[in-house]
Amino acid sequence: EIVLTQSPGTLSLSPGERATLSCRASQSVSSSYLAWYQQKPGQAPRLLIYGASSRATGIPDRFSGSGSGTDFTLTISRLEPEDFAVYYCQQYGSSPELTFGGGTKVEIK
Amino acid sequence: QLQLQESGPGLVKPSETLSLTCTVSGGSISSSSYYWGWIRQPPGKGLEWIGSIYYSGSTYYNPSLKSRVTISVDTSKNQFSLKLSSVTAADTAVYYCQQLVRGVCKNWGQGTLVTVSS
Repeated sequence: EIVLTQSPGTLSLSPGERATLSCRASQSVSSSYLAWYQQKPGQAPRLLIYGASSRATGIPDRFSGSGSGTDFTLTISRLEPEDFAVYYCQQYGSSPELTFGGGTKVEIK
Repeated sequence: QLQLQESGPGLVKPSETLSLTCTVSGGSISSSSYYWGWIRQPPGKGLEWIGSIYYSGSTYYNPSLKSRVTISVDTSKNQFSLKLSSVTAADTAVYYCQQLVRGVCKNWGQGTLVTVSS
């Protein structure tokens, strides 16, 4: 089973700053099957990035994904007030099974 | 636009079976391009995949829940369902249904809170 570890657990930043979120896998993950989600309180998660670097429909270009193998990154170039939320990475295995990272909370500093 | 809506009891007694249904609208559950799945989130915690199903009925379950989970599909009603048996307080969570496209949870239901308590 692939384990996804997200860091940091909490990121305290101000609007306008750059956010860099990490997702590390316990073994190599196909880039095609690495996704990122945003979740706000009381809401379902929303797909941001799929295939490690492709933005989902309607996602602003300040969100970008990168990485391969075991190390993946979600970058928010300039934080907007609506971007403060929890972010999860997710991988899709060959079983096929899904696993999620533990999440990174981006909070207002 | 595809929409998913969970339905079912919000309160289940310990040792009983949790049953939820997800109704899909705006698209066909019988599309060969998609899987359909369930994910849960205990209060204040992260996301846990429960299982997925193809319209043909092929199922895939989280190994940690496999002995207690059954996911089924009813193409005539454009619905799929979750049954989780022998529930305990640890099964208290918001349960989400979703559409999976090549392993990605593209569309989600709004979620439904299920509390396990006597």
